[in-house]
Amino acid sequence: NAGVTQTPKFRVLKTGQSMTLLCAQDMNHEYMYWYRQDPGMGLRLIHYSVGEGTTAKGEVPDGYNVSRLKKQNFLLGLESAAPSQTSVYFCASSTFAPDRQETQYFGPGTRLLVL
Amino acid sequence: AQSVTQLGSHVSVSEGALVLLRCNYSSSVPPYLFWYVQYPNQGLQLLLKYTSAATLVKGINGFEAEFKKSETSFHLTKPSAHMSDAAEYFCAVSLPIKAAGNKLTFGGGTRVLVKP
Repeated sequence: NAGVTQTPKFRVLKTGQSMTLLCAQDMNHEYMYWYRQDPGMGLRLIHYSVGEGTTAKGEVPDGYNVSRLKKQNFLLGLESAAPSQTSVYFCASSTFAPDRQETQYFGPGTRLLVL
Repeated sequence: AQSVTQLGSHVSVSEGALVLLRCNYSSSVPPYLFWYVQYPNQGLQLLLKYTSAATLVKGINGFEAEFKKSETSFHLTKPSAHMSDAAEYFCAVSLPIKAAGNKLTFGGGTRVLVKP
């Protein structure tokens, strides 16, 4: 049971390049999330998904796209990277319960540097 | 919309001393509240959570937090700091509404330094 895994761990991009970050979870969770972490700002939600085939915007969605074609995977895409997207990206997942808050489980993060 | 404010981006404590990390929230409805810890170069790990049961919540590693509705606070404490407590701590809030998608809103984080 690996929990939440992220690929790659570190990446350097040039401005204008594209890339995809992969998140995988083996806990059969319905919900998945992408956050970015920047110094002094905590974590901010980029996009999230409440089930296979569904996605929704979070707090800071501009410049990113996502897809959830399989329940266990959640992909984050940058079509044209900008230096402002230099950050640490975290994926998380949780199960769903209608009457209580379920814990989010986080991956180890992907460090992205855009030059 | 909900928000979280963590007072103090850095806190320095001596080993064996009290750890107190402050968190205040704003929410249109009574929220769920969380504290997460992040060790260097790792992801976030849940310390404890408040979900409208007991107002004093005990978590892992000897931490606890008290929900005070009148003060809109959820401060985190540990009676005696250990060197292994050096990390960054995040307070987070979510709305207990199905349509909210279980989303978390985080504070800016407090980095704890433990001095020997």
